[in-house]
Amino acid sequence: AQKITQTQPGMFVQEKEAVTLDCTYDTSDQSYGLFWYKQPSSGEMIFLIYQGSYDEQNATEGRYSLNFQKARKSANLVISASQLGDSAMYFCAMREGPAGQAGTALIFGKGTTLSVSS
Amino acid sequence: EAGVAQSPRYKIIEKRQSVAFWCNPISGHATLYWYQQILGQGPKLLIQFQNNGVVDDSQLPKDRFSAERLKGVDSTLKIQPAKLEDSAVYLCASSLDMVFSGNTIYFGEGSWLTVV
Repeated sequence: AQKITQTQPGMFVQEKEAVTLDCTYDTSDQSYGLFWYKQPSSGEMIFLIYQGSYDEQNATEGRYSLNFQKARKSANLVISASQLGDSAMYFCAMREGPAGQAGTALIFGKGTTLSVSS
Repeated sequence: EAGVAQSPRYKIIEKRQSVAFWCNPISGHATLYWYQQILGQGPKLLIQFQNNGVVDDSQLPKDRFSAERLKGVDSTLKIQPAKLEDSAVYLCASSLDMVFSGNTIYFGEGSWLTVV
């Protein structure tokens, strides 16, 4: 079974609109971390936002927010006020294990391609 | 602070040839990862080192792939012999240790391999 599922291969949005990229995860650990990365065509992985499983508040970083629904095991990324430069692949990833102990490497989903038009 | 350095950035080889990729992590980072990212997919972990020891190599195709991190600093990933399906971007990443959260794992720009 996949640990990270991103069901939207591609999303299209106009500038200044908000967009939600879906991510569901599967783990039996109580302690884990969820990450979102942006990968432009140049290939580098750009960290966007992080949510710990025990964090009570949804994470926010500028125009990015993470809609964390623990019971549903979902960690959707919300980008407000889309910009042309947001066009890229977006990956959801998970680190299993508690933050205070040795964890595992990041497990990535298959990604969602976001295209922002003017 | 210098980032994760990888070389070469691009490589084209014929099938059955060999290739090696080099990674220099951020200074002081004990944990180093090699990921394989096939076009249109998410990165898949190949191997994880803690200092010069292997933590996880369960997804490394050991019949053709090998990796080492002899002095616990830089690392080399080798493919021999290469197959067409090895065409991918090979991403190296590092973190201070295996405990990380937020923006504490750093990725290199990747080495793009095309096998023809």
